[in-house]
Amino acid sequence: AQSVTQPDIHITVSEGASLELRCNYSYGATPYLFWYVQSPGQGLQLLLKYFSGDTLVQGIKGFEAEFKRSQSSFNLRKPSVHWSDAAEYFCAAEAGGGNKLTFGTGTQLKVEL
Amino acid sequence: NAGVTQTPKFRVLKTGQSMTLLCAQDMNHEYMYWYRQDPGMGLRLIHYSVGEGTTAKGEVPDGYNVSRLKKQNFLLGLESAAPSQTSVYFCASSSPRDGEKLFFGSGTQLSVL
Repeated sequence: AQSVTQPDIHITVSEGASLELRCNYSYGATPYLFWYVQSPGQGLQLLLKYFSGDTLVQGIKGFEAEFKRSQSSFNLRKPSVHWSDAAEYFCAAEAGGGNKLTFGTGTQLKVEL
Repeated sequence: NAGVTQTPKFRVLKTGQSMTLLCAQDMNHEYMYWYRQDPGMGLRLIHYSVGEGTTAKGEVPDGYNVSRLKKQNFLLGLESAAPSQTSVYFCASSSPRDGEKLFFGSGTQLSVL
């Protein structure tokens, strides 16, 4: 079955520190890959997406993600975290037509000042 | 731009009651979706629609019905609410013109007692 795994439920980092959120997928072929962010009480907002081509993808708010086919991973990174980055982050994948995304269970990011 | 609007924002039901959640989008998107979000489970697709007059089941469709009589509206119905349907419900829309990006509403918090 197709699935998206985010192994870290909670992550705490200090403001200014670097961040990496992990995402692994299990699909027959390389799916489209996405990272979304959800602030408290809000809907989800797209950070970045990977369809094909360059394996390092730049997104909004200074985030980037690297696609690694050999590891079936699409990890999200940010060089220096800001307090406003505290939110829940979701990795998602989509295999075919109809744009039906499968979401991971999310990683809650806490930023310590 | 309103984007995706969900009504109501909060609702409390008693077991067995019925209700309809309304989703409206003003972006002329072809695709619309209903997700539910539960702690530790991420977002799960309930039903979706690829166009006016068409709907399809997602991952967790049981206990829900949907209708898309107009392109801009997607209704989610609960005919006989159960406590297991206590959740946060998100509507989303997308279009190939927007690069498969999902636009989310701000959610509906539903409690079934």
